[in-house]
Amino acid sequence: DVKVTQSSRYLVKRTGEKVFLECVQDMDHENMFWYRQDPGLGLRLIYFSYDVKMKEKGDIPEGYSVSREKKERFSLILESASTNQTSMYLCASSFTNRETGELFFGEGSRLTVL
Amino acid sequence: DQQVKQNSPSLSVQEGRISILNCDYTNSMFDYFLWYKKYPAEGPTFLISISSIKDKNEDGRFTVFLNKSAKHLSLHIVPSQPGDSAVYFCAGYLGGFKTIFGAGTRLFVKA
Repeated sequence: DVKVTQSSRYLVKRTGEKVFLECVQDMDHENMFWYRQDPGLGLRLIYFSYDVKMKEKGDIPEGYSVSREKKERFSLILESASTNQTSMYLCASSFTNRETGELFFGEGSRLTVL
Repeated sequence: DQQVKQNSPSLSVQEGRISILNCDYTNSMFDYFLWYKKYPAEGPTFLISISSIKDKNEDGRFTVFLNKSAKHLSLHIVPSQPGDSAVYFCAGYLGGFKTIFGAGTRLFVKA
């Protein structure tokens, strides 16, 4: 059974703290993504990576960085968390050659910044 | 600029009846449209897709219709079941790494 696993389901952090969200996929997918989901806004792309050590900004990269040191692992970093980063964070992966662009999502990490 | 719009935040349907979820788009360059289903505290899962050159795609109880002239697509669920209660996201795939999601529609199927 294919799987995208996110390290933390629920996190509570304080303003200014550094936050790491980790994602691991076991499908040998080339591409990995970080989205955030907010009510009324759908899913918005933060960053994506198409290969090890490669990263590209998505639609809302401000305040975030990412790291992809291994093919199966993609990390999202909030250098200094702020309250407006309270959200559901979703990691996803996909094959480059998948015609439909189908994404496989993890279960999500709900982050609350106080 | 919202390229994919789901104008109904929620929809309530009786069990056994048809559920119709709607989606409008503005970008004619989408290669595929996809529907994802999301239960609370879980990630979205792929449900069904349709190529931009097709009018209809069917998979069991789920059918997606694409009206290119109106830039509109719809997901039909027949018959609706309580287990279908979830948030449904419409998405347009531009190719490469770009998928644009709508805001989602929460479907309630009443037993």
